[in-house]
Amino acid sequence: DGGITQSPKYLFRKEGQNVTLSCEQNLNHDAMYWYRQDPGQGLRLIYYSQIVNDFQKGDIAEGYSVSREKKESFPLTVTSAQKNPTAFYLCASTSVAPNYGYTFGSGTRLTVV
Amino acid sequence: ELKVEQNPLFLSMQEGKNYTIYCNYSTTSDRLYWYRQDPGKSLESLFVLLSNGAVKQEGRLMASLDTKARLSTLHITAAVHDLSATYFCAVDLSIQGAQKLVFGQGTRLTINP
Repeated sequence: DGGITQSPKYLFRKEGQNVTLSCEQNLNHDAMYWYRQDPGQGLRLIYYSQIVNDFQKGDIAEGYSVSREKKESFPLTVTSAQKNPTAFYLCASTSVAPNYGYTFGSGTRLTVV
Repeated sequence: ELKVEQNPLFLSMQEGKNYTIYCNYSTTSDRLYWYRQDPGKSLESLFVLLSNGAVKQEGRLMASLDTKARLSTLHITAAVHDLSATYFCAVDLSIQGAQKLVFGQGTRLTINP
């Protein structure tokens, strides 16, 4: 079955540590996205990528980095510069044309310990 | 900058009652989505509204889109406890060939017996 796989489901980060969240899709979608959700809040866009080797900052990109070396993969690194990384992270993808809607992964819950 | 506003943000209602969630957005778009989120879970797609006047229904939920008024509604008929969740609307925005979803704040719906 096609879909998006996010891993790990739960992740714990120590102060000053970089961590990487994985997002893999087998839907042959062109565009991929990372969103952050804080408790009781909506989703805010961190980074997005329309094609391989290209990506754009979203609304809250500071303290995060991404890469898009393969169409199927869009990993997100939460760097030590992100001072408040505890949140729920969701990855999404869609085909650019035609657009049949967005598919979301199951999410990664990141906690600073 | 596209703004998406939902109201109400919190809604507590009794089983059997009807209610409507409103989603206003600030920039022209012909594509709007409604999602459901249960606590600790990812997003579940409910409706994709692709044109002005679009109306879709699934069970006790009905969604509509008025692109001229930049307004979408999610109507709940004869609510049941299982519909308790947080509901998000999201607007598809195209900027310089790139697509992204912009979310409302979410409406936390609690249905009491």
